Amino acid sequence: DTGVSQDPRHKITKRGQNVTFRCDPISEHNRLYWYRQTLGQGPEFLTYFQNEAQLEKSRLLSDRFSAERPKGSFSTLEIQRTEQGDSAMYLCASSLGQIGSSYNSPLHFGNGTRLTVT
Amino acid sequence: KQEVTQIPAALSVPEGENLVLNCSFTDSAIYNLQWFRQDPGKGLTSLLLIQSSQREQTSGRLNASLDKSSGRSTLYIAASQPGDSATYLCAVRKNYGQNFVFGPGTRLSVLP
Repeated sequence: DTGVSQDPRHKITKRGQNVTFRCDPISEHNRLYWYRQTLGQGPEFLTYFQNEAQLEKSRLLSDRFSAERPKGSFSTLEIQRTEQGDSAMYLCASSLGQIGSSYNSPLHFGNGTRLTVT
Repeated sequence: KQEVTQIPAALSVPEGENLVLNCSFTDSAIYNLQWFRQDPGKGLTSLLLIQSSQREQTSGRLNASLDKSSGRSTLYIAASQPGDSATYLCAVRKNYGQNFVFGPGTRLSVLP
């Protein structure tokens, strides 16, 4: 168990540029989540994958945001035409769940990618 | 809409004290509740997960309880240590979908 890995740790970009973040979940975990956290707040849900299928998307995920998990393993989160309000910590988490069951293993988080838009 | 609050927002205690952190949620229809700690600039570390059918979970000096009907959970930390200093967050998973809703956290400082 190598834990959830996120890359890069920090990203500074100018307003209007596109950025892409990567998340590698714990290998046997079939569920993958993206959250956004701003200073002093708890994480806010963005989207969730079960294997390669994106099953839930928050209204926070505007059309400038897109997430993929093409082979049901790693995931990418892309933000197009970044705005200063996008500055935040972007957190990825994974868990193991059984389809049709309410059971969830605990959520395991990566260390996040801190985005600063200037 | 599920809302999660945590009281107090910040807490400072001397080393060795036992303490209780509170988490409240507005919709009792949850699958489970999870407690995390977060160190500055880092991700969240899972502490305890309580399924909706359970009343409490224990791990070492930590004990978490769940009262679904009243929409409350507490995290009890025994014999606090300076290394316990961190922000503690609770999150509830609604009984539909996979979205976990987080509280804003309690920032704990344990003074040596």
